[in-house]
Amino acid sequence: GAVVSQHPSWVICKSGTSVKIECRSLDFQATTMFWYRQFPKQSLMLMATSNEGSKATYEQGVEKDKFLINHASLTLSTLTVTSAHPEDSSFYICSARGGGGSSYEQYFGPGTRLTVT
Amino acid sequence: AQSVTQLGSHVSVSEGALVLLRCNYSSSVPPYLFWYVQYPNQGLQLLLKYTTGATLVKGINGFEAEFKKSETSFHLTKPSAHMSDAAEYFCAVSSQGGYQKVTFGTGTKLQVIP
Repeated sequence: GAVVSQHPSWVICKSGTSVKIECRSLDFQATTMFWYRQFPKQSLMLMATSNEGSKATYEQGVEKDKFLINHASLTLSTLTVTSAHPEDSSFYICSARGGGGSSYEQYFGPGTRLTVT
Repeated sequence: AQSVTQLGSHVSVSEGALVLLRCNYSSSVPPYLFWYVQYPNQGLQLLLKYTTGATLVKGINGFEAEFKKSETSFHLTKPSAHMSDAAEYFCAVSSQGGYQKVTFGTGTKLQVIP
């Protein structure tokens, strides 16, 4: 099946610094990638959708200048949390679509736990 | 517009008992429906999906779900719970074609009692 990886799996950073999270589709070309945020004991909230080679589409309430998304290739998307604050601490999950013949199906990465101190 | 409602944030069953996790959806267009499972500190794994065709869908690990359009439901069942089934389960809906944004329910945490 289609595999999506994320790196790092967890990261701790100091307030005010920036953190980059990578999402890679390992065995298929992902025309679309999605970034989700999950707070403890809550559901996934879609942050943004990115299509390869174009600007990401952000959901309402998500600061695009704070959460920078780049989808430079068909196998890689990055999420950069700029000037991170403790309230940005969360579990970030990416998903990718476009592989395996099922254009509607999203394949999820294992997630990245961000802790901002 | 689309939405998902999962009834019961926590469900406890005895090992070997029937598992029933409820999901109702709202969609202005024919939906695609999904159930995902999440283990602690992990991403989501697809259990099963309904797109078109047969309304009773079988998935991995012995789970199945039935799409009932008249009831706008997509409940997840498993005849006999195993300890390894303890996890968080998310129901999700997307629209057929087009943008295909996926909307998740709030999740149901399944506890299996030995």
